[in-house]
Amino acid sequence: SYVLTQPPSMSVAPGKTARITCGGNNIGSKSVHWYQQKPGQAPVLVIYYDSDRPSGIPDRFSGSNSGNTATLTISRVEAGDEADYYCQVWDNSSDHKVFGGGTKLTVL
Amino acid sequence: EVQVVESGGGLVQPGGSLRLSCAASGFIFSDHYMDWVRQAPGKGLEWVGRTRNKANSYITEYAASVKGRFTISRDDSKNSLSLQMNSLKTEDTAVYYCARGGSGSSLDFWGQGTLVTVSS
Repeated sequence: SYVLTQPPSMSVAPGKTARITCGGNNIGSKSVHWYQQKPGQAPVLVIYYDSDRPSGIPDRFSGSNSGNTATLTISRVEAGDEADYYCQVWDNSSDHKVFGGGTKLTVL
Repeated sequence: EVQVVESGGGLVQPGGSLRLSCAASGFIFSDHYMDWVRQAPGKGLEWVGRTRNKANSYITEYAASVKGRFTISRDDSKNSLSLQMNSLKTEDTAVYYCARGGSGSSLDFWGQGTLVTVSS
């Protein structure tokens, strides 16, 4: 089955840029979606189709996808961005939706 | 306003059954795929399964971990989604989320979840 690999955690200072990676075999050929989940809350879609933002998501959030790595970039990080972030794809070979293990972003 | 609200969670013994429901409003339910996603305590997100829309023949797809035990159904006339869970195991303990299918395979609106605890 298809596996998505994310770093378990990362930290960034306020105002800096956070880049959260999602690794998968030839993930560049798939559409990647990203979710933000704050403690005790449901996940929220922040990026779909690799780099599109749903309405209401700040333009500080952006995404890219190429080769074996997709990246969620959060610019000018704020304290409110502290959350778990998950990448997700659809695996056509198994007809399964696959989530990465999640990255806990800490704002210093 | 788009809303999805889960209900039906609770405590059940191993080997038992439970049925979760999801009430949707604020959008044309019949147009959308609908998914169930779960999250075990302190763990990440795990896809459970989904039902496609009428245009795609209401096809259901399931994660390997629940296939044959869980059944997803929908009633477009009532804007509702269900998850019938049989032969429950302790490892099925999780918060279960109902989510609306968005662009591609994304999930663009999620409920707040309902907790299922499988324990003796």
